[in-house]
Amino acid sequence: GAGVSQSPRYKVAKRGQDVALRCDPISGHVSLFWYQQALGQGPEFLTYFQNEAQLDKSGLPSDRFFAERPEGSVSTLKIQRTQQEDSAVYLCASTARDRGNTIYFGEGSWLTVV
Amino acid sequence: TQLLEQSPQFLSIQEGENLTVYCNSSSVFSSLQWYRQEPGEGPVLLVTVVTGGEVKKLKRLTFQFGDARKDSSLHITAAQPGDTGLYLCAGRRMDSSYKLIFGSGTRLLVRP
Repeated sequence: GAGVSQSPRYKVAKRGQDVALRCDPISGHVSLFWYQQALGQGPEFLTYFQNEAQLDKSGLPSDRFFAERPEGSVSTLKIQRTQQEDSAVYLCASTARDRGNTIYFGEGSWLTVV
Repeated sequence: TQLLEQSPQFLSIQEGENLTVYCNSSSVFSSLQWYRQEPGEGPVLLVTVVTGGEVKKLKRLTFQFGDARKDSSLHITAAQPGDTGLYLCAGRRMDSSYKLIFGSGTRLLVRP
């Protein structure tokens, strides 16, 4: 597609449920990022992939969060045993390189944990 | 504690007025970007500044990077209702080529 595509756009999960959020980056983009945006805040870095390699996962809030990009294209962010504080918009972004190229964000996956 | 502090957090102005949004930090950034985000959408890049003291203009928007590369400002001349949105500054620290650190944002409402 022309842009970064994320699914689902909206997810309501019961506390304790596992969720999986998918990101289809722009075709050919090497770098992929996940950010978390809480209501009324700016996005916060979660993790970074270069092709299939996860080079930085320092922003993942806990070991309940796991991200993968096994073939260097589509990525999945998985949250296990969701808690209310996980409620946020999860943004995926991609770029051709990590420096000097425009980063393109998807529309986000809105997660509400009830 | 936000590494990048934006002010003001909220701004409601009349169409035709001018405004300035500030983005401040105690850290030095190799580059700084400004994004606009509309409800239900991801942030969209407006501009990137990389040189201390750099000024870039995008139609009615003027962006400036501080001489010490620790702060930036966004000035909008003759604001229009279409300028309404969340404005985010984001910087790359010297020790990371890929990680963007975002400010908390300035929510702008331009009333017709």
